[in-house]
Amino acid sequence: KQEVTQIPAALSVPEGENLVLNCSFTDSAIYNLQWFRQDPGKGLTSLLLIQSSQREQTSGRLNASLDKSSGRSTLYIAASQPGDSATYLCAVKGNAGNMLTFGGGTRLMVKP
Amino acid sequence: DAGVIQSPRHEVTEMGQEVTLRCKPISGHDYLFWYRQTMMRGLELLIYFNNNVPIDDSGMPEDRFSAKMPNASFSTLKIQPSEPRDSAVYFCASSIGGAGAFFGQGTRLTVV
Repeated sequence: KQEVTQIPAALSVPEGENLVLNCSFTDSAIYNLQWFRQDPGKGLTSLLLIQSSQREQTSGRLNASLDKSSGRSTLYIAASQPGDSATYLCAVKGNAGNMLTFGGGTRLMVKP
Repeated sequence: DAGVIQSPRHEVTEMGQEVTLRCKPISGHDYLFWYRQTMMRGLELLIYFNNNVPIDDSGMPEDRFSAKMPNASFSTLKIQPSEPRDSAVYFCASSIGGAGAFFGQGTRLTVV
């Protein structure tokens, strides 16, 4: 059974810092990996999707990498802003079935 | 497209009552997922459909939970009878093939 872990569970940084959020998964037979953002009381917003054949994806200040063999993904946020404060979730889709397995999330706070 | 639409956004009900949550997926998407989010357990898959057919319902916690998808544009998740431990945020998501999933805003259920 796939297990997804996100470390740290919470992170507080001053505005302007570059930061890295980590995601690890136990079964490397994945189809893709997706990073989401969730604001308090809101739904999930997809940030980046990495297919299993890809190494990274970029969108603006966000860069996600994937190392399937080691079961790891990172989400890099450049020049963090207070508006980046949210919970970030990674989710893995396996090759069997089409469902996502979620990590527990990293709660990010960017202080002005 | 308006995205995945869920209703109601909030539901407060008394223990023992029947609760029905509704979801309209994105038009053209052939997969529909129901997830539950709690502080203790994070995001858990309850059931998912492909082309209106239930594929995996192993995450449905008990027989009190049932889900239907009578057509490509509508799905329901029903809890009967409801219990306080069912209190959670229930998310519906849809995707096309193996592509990324899009989530609705969720239904916050409180059972008192």
